[in-house]
Amino acid sequence: SQTIHQWPATLVQPVGSPLSLECTVEGTSNPNLYWYRQAAGRGLQLLFYSVGIGQISSEVPQNLSASRPQDRQFILSSKKLLLSDSGFYLCAWTTGFGNQPQHFGDGTRLSIL
Amino acid sequence: AQSVTQLDSHVSVSEGTPVLLRCNYSSSYSPSLFWYVQHPNKGLQLLLKYTSAATLVKGINGFEAEFKKSETSFHLTKPSAHMSDAAEYFCVVSDSTNDYKLSFGAGTTVTVRA
Repeated sequence: SQTIHQWPATLVQPVGSPLSLECTVEGTSNPNLYWYRQAAGRGLQLLFYSVGIGQISSEVPQNLSASRPQDRQFILSSKKLLLSDSGFYLCAWTTGFGNQPQHFGDGTRLSIL
Repeated sequence: AQSVTQLDSHVSVSEGTPVLLRCNYSSSYSPSLFWYVQHPNKGLQLLLKYTSAATLVKGINGFEAEFKKSETSFHLTKPSAHMSDAAEYFCVVSDSTNDYKLSFGAGTTVTVRA
């Protein structure tokens, strides 16, 4: 069966520090991968998605970037965190076929001080 | 363009009574519709999906939803609420016009009274 792992589960970082969040998927090949942010009391905002190695689409101009160095690995990064980057970050995957549901990891709670 | 409206931001029910979460959608083409549940500090778990097969969809944990094209609705129901059903629920739509990216409703928080 397929599984998705995100780490760390929680992270507290000072303003201006770098960020690296990692997501890996097991049990499937060539998944579509997604990064979302969920701010407190708000819905999910799609940040990036990838349909293959090295292919990244950005949905919202921001302080963050994403990379996909391997087929089942998706990384969210920042060079300098802002207070507004606080939130709950979720990684998700789906097969490459149209209308299939996305499957989510357990998320990373990021707090910026 | 696709969009979802969850008609209730908060629903409170007594344990053992039915649960109804209402969702209306807008989609130009044949949509796929999903319900997800999110417990505190957890990711989203798929409850059920509609992808143009049977209009009455059964999911996990006793939940089901009915796709009504004429009413553009996809309401989620459960006959008897359990304490463990207390969570936030998201109605989600996708279609081919947006590369099957998901559009989320604002969420409905369910509390279950003992």
